[in-house]
Amino acid sequence: GAGVSQSPRYKVTKRGQDVALRCDPISGHVSLYWYRQALGQGPEFLTYFNYEAQQDKSGLPNDRFSAERPEGSISTLTIQRTEQRDSAMYRCASSSSQSTEAFFGQGTRLTVV
Amino acid sequence: GIQVEQSPPDLILQEGANSTLRCNFSDSVNNLQWFHQNPWGQLINLFYIPSGTKQNGRLSATTVATERYSLLYISSSQTTDSGVYFCASSNTGKLIFGQGTTLQVKP
Repeated sequence: GAGVSQSPRYKVTKRGQDVALRCDPISGHVSLYWYRQALGQGPEFLTYFNYEAQQDKSGLPNDRFSAERPEGSISTLTIQRTEQRDSAMYRCASSSSQSTEAFFGQGTRLTVV
Repeated sequence: GIQVEQSPPDLILQEGANSTLRCNFSDSVNNLQWFHQNPWGQLINLFYIPSGTKQNGRLSATTVATERYSLLYISSSQTTDSGVYFCASSNTGKLIFGQGTTLQVKP
């Protein structure tokens, strides 16, 4: 697509439920990144993929968080047994093989109640 | 890993004024980007500038890689320039963000 697309834009979920956040990168971009941004803070790295391979997951806060990109295009970030502290803006970015410049989607605002 | 520090944390300007935002990073980098987070929360790419100088309208940026800093210049500021400006850098693939500079431009 023309830009990075994330869905849903807003998600309200009850504590203890699982959520899946979707990211559709710019067409042809090989690298895909997930970030989390708390209110008043800068985005913090969670994980990234080159094609379908997860290259770095050092930023995932605990084992309730996981991500996949099975066909090297669309990616899903899954949070199991959500907690209130998981409430944040979740951002996805992608970059091409030609440049390290990253382009971000509009984000998913997750609220856990 | 890389550490990124931005200054000042907050900035209030009168419309028409000029400003300089600074970003210091702790290691050599192959990526440095400036973003503007608008009031709707979207991150807008301003510059991709691992080194050198670029200009885009009223905005320009300079990165001195050997001294590990980057500067974002805003000239003749407008109220629409308000928001948070982030610097982010990388040498491993993952961008590390600074804490941002919150800019308020008053009419």
